[in-house]
Amino acid sequence: QVQLQESGPGLLKPSETLSLTCVVSGDRIRSYSWSWIRQPPGKGLEWIGFIYDTGSTNYNASLKSRVTLSVDTSKNEISLRLRSVTAADTAVYYCARVDRGGSSPYFQHWGQGTLVTVSS
Amino acid sequence: SYELTQPPSVSVSPGQTASITCSGDKLGNKYTYWYQQRPGQSPVLVIYQDNRRPSGIPERFSGSNSGNTATLTISGTQALDEADYYCQAWDSNTVVFGGGTKLTVL
Repeated sequence: QVQLQESGPGLLKPSETLSLTCVVSGDRIRSYSWSWIRQPPGKGLEWIGFIYDTGSTNYNASLKSRVTLSVDTSKNEISLRLRSVTAADTAVYYCARVDRGGSSPYFQHWGQGTLVTVSS
Repeated sequence: SYELTQPPSVSVSPGQTASITCSGDKLGNKYTYWYQQRPGQSPVLVIYQDNRRPSGIPERFSGSNSGNTATLTISGTQALDEADYYCQAWDSNTVVFGGGTKLTVL
């Protein structure tokens, strides 16, 4: 059974770079595609992007200029970097494994999420 | 950009049937997915590919999708079904989530 565990700094100042990692156990990371999704407090889910099993990426257009996803196969982990954060980036950040219904992706396996607060 | 619209809230009495809708342009031409999220927990997939239930999801959860509307139906609603529910689809290489519906079991 795949398990995902996010970690990273809980508090950032505006303009800093958010860096999160997600350690995957129970799956070989290169066997699947992976995604990050976030949820501001009291609000809905927002997809951030994919990193595919090929290593290529696909980002939400609204975040594309600031976000980078990467994988470290030696550590079996996925990383998220989000530059120039503002208070609007305050959210619980989830990593999730991508499953596919035909060409349509969905998420059956999620991490427990990690809260990131941006405040001066 | 593509949008999915859900009612902010739905109320249901225990034992009754709850229906949560998700609307989007020609949504019936896409697969719709549904997630349940209880307070303080990660989302849980309850319906995939419009009407399939993952292993471990009770049979009282079902889904349909036609035209511009997908519907999540919970039959014999129980108190533990009280949660936020999100629909999700895929359009133009982008994952889109609905705004979420808070289901209250009165």
